[in-house]
Amino acid sequence: NAGVTQTPKFRILKIGQSMTLQCTQDMNHNYMYWYRQDPGMGLKLIYYSVGAGITDKGEVPNGYNVSRSTTEDFPLRLELAAPSQTSVYFCASSYPPGSGDEQFFGPGTRLTVL
Amino acid sequence: KQEVTQIPAALSVPEGENLVLNCSFTDSAIYNLQWFRQDPGKGLTSLLLIQSSQREQTSGRLNASLDKSSGRSTLYIAASQPGDSATYLCAVNNFNKFYFGSGTKLNVKP
Repeated sequence: NAGVTQTPKFRILKIGQSMTLQCTQDMNHNYMYWYRQDPGMGLKLIYYSVGAGITDKGEVPNGYNVSRSTTEDFPLRLELAAPSQTSVYFCASSYPPGSGDEQFFGPGTRLTVL
Repeated sequence: KQEVTQIPAALSVPEGENLVLNCSFTDSAIYNLQWFRQDPGKGLTSLLLIQSSQREQTSGRLNASLDKSSGRSTLYIAASQPGDSATYLCAVNNFNKFYFGSGTKLNVKP
């Protein structure tokens, strides 16, 4: 099992550019999450999904979009990159509540917007 | 809105000491609480998960307790080792929405 994988590991964007952060899990988890972590801070939830075709906003969704067409994949889209989106992005997955609630995290994508 | 606070922000101890990390949260209607370890430049590794109906969980030298009514959790690390040096994060689950504290950065000196 690879667990949760994220690509790319690092990326530098110019203001106004777009990109998609990829996240894939091979544990057949229904639930998937995107977080961002700013320096010296905890993680903030951007979006989450409880299954294919179902997504919902977290605490800081502005400037991002997601889709969930398969159980395995949960890409995060940045449409018009801004310096405030410079952060480390983590994807995570888990089983539904009551079925083993532990979250498993990917290694992160470090994004810089200049 | 749920607020999660971790105290202290940083802690430096000599090897062999027992230590306690604290996590407090403002909304006690949580589903569970999870403690993580984060090494510099790395992702998060799950240490312990406590369901809202539980009082504590143990794994090796780690023991986590939960007092939901008072909005507190503690992570107890026994006989600390230099390899325990990392940032420790707690996260509360408010039914599909997870809220993280800012972490406690632990340094265990040989």
